[in-house]
Amino acid sequence: GAGVSQSPSNKVTEKGKDVELRCDPISGHTALYWYRQRLGQGLEFLIYFQGNSAPDKSGLPSDRFSAERTGESVSTLTIQRTQQEDSAVYLCASSLGQGVKNSPLHFGNGTRLTVT
Amino acid sequence: AQSVTQLGSHVSVSEGALVLLRCNYSSSVPPYLFWYVQYPNQGLQLLLKYTSAATLVKGINGFEAEFKKSETSFHLTKPSAHMSDAAEYFCAVSDMGSNYKLTFGKGTLLTVNP
Repeated sequence: GAGVSQSPSNKVTEKGKDVELRCDPISGHTALYWYRQRLGQGLEFLIYFQGNSAPDKSGLPSDRFSAERTGESVSTLTIQRTQQEDSAVYLCASSLGQGVKNSPLHFGNGTRLTVT
Repeated sequence: AQSVTQLGSHVSVSEGALVLLRCNYSSSVPPYLFWYVQYPNQGLQLLLKYTSAATLVKGINGFEAEFKKSETSFHLTKPSAHMSDAAEYFCAVSDMGSNYKLTFGKGTLLTVNP
């Protein structure tokens, strides 16, 4: 079946512009995650959704970052007034939501964001 | 907060040689531990996991990992490397008190030479 789909795969934007990154999870997956991977760094947790609510937003680096999820499906990560330090690969993952012990995370291929 | 250390950002082996990718975690309580693999142009996928059952865990494609509490390690091994094993490997640990959040290491890129 279809996996996690992210779009766009690449995005180049000018400093100060807003960007929207989209994630389509696997159908039926109630849990959805956003991670960020900067060059040479590990995956950095941003936000976790269970259904349409986000019980853990603790990883969002600043108030320029926001995310929403509608219909227990598509999620959008928005970065306002982008800065050069926002350049990274943004990864989305989904799971059945039964805890990491029982429900592996399925990752998309990521969106590579470059802020010039 | 949990942390994961992967020794060696890049490991190169010959085809048929032993693969050893190192992972150490910081936790006073044995957590759940995972290895994920990212093949070229693909998303990360689960390779294997330790969830407090057997300390030697077998995964896909002949990989296995051993949980050693005394060494706070969860190293990944494969007796004989294949060209198709070339990928980036990430070790991850579950956060204490969380059943949903994983903390990932920086990854190790495995190159397999013919």
